[in-house]
Amino acid sequence: QVQLVESGGGLVKPGGSLRLSCAASGFTFRDYYMSWIRQAPGKGLEWVSYISPSGITVYYADSVKGRLTISRDNAKNSLYLQMNSLRAEDTAVYYCARQIKVAGLFDYWGQGTLVTVSS
Amino acid sequence: EIVLTQSPGTLSLSPGERATLSCRASQSVSSNYLAWYQQKPGQAPRLLIYAASSRATGIPDRFSGSGSGTDFTLTISRLEPEDFALYYCQQYGSSPWTFGQGTKVEIK
Repeated sequence: QVQLVESGGGLVKPGGSLRLSCAASGFTFRDYYMSWIRQAPGKGLEWVSYISPSGITVYYADSVKGRLTISRDNAKNSLYLQMNSLRAEDTAVYYCARQIKVAGLFDYWGQGTLVTVSS
Repeated sequence: EIVLTQSPGTLSLSPGERATLSCRASQSVSSNYLAWYQQKPGQAPRLLIYAASSRATGIPDRFSGSGSGTDFTLTISRLEPEDFALYYCQQYGSSPWTFGQGTKVEIK
């Protein structure tokens, strides 16, 4: 069965960095577009970034452009999100999600990892 | 960016009743690429409906989606205890992909 397991969240000071990971299993990871989606405490969902199966094409929401970097390692069935210059408004649960082709439709989600940006 | 507005914010109903949730887009959703997700506390969202009216794999037929253009509806024909949750609509017809703010379906 499809499984997505995020890790790497935690407490970080404003301006700090963090790297999130998502371990995928139960499907051919290298064939799928993948995304990161976040949810601030008590708030709705916000799509953050996606990456193509090869890793060549990436796309970001304006709110994170230049600060967050998505990447993947198909040999390790893993998705990553490097988070730099973090701000309080980046505080959220970060989910990795499998996309149905290039469309921004998400058929499987991980359980999420909490990132808290606070001094 | 397409803004999705969901209504009502909270729906208080009893098991067995019909639930009707609305999602209105600030501009037409390309190809009616509108999805609905269910989220329970502490859990990840679950895909229910895509392309406005197609049920995802394993979703019971009491869930149905309808609508086109800017107005979309999720209907739960007879609420089961496990259906009380948060529901989000999402458009994936144009970038950036956006979500509504959610409708909570609670037990009356």
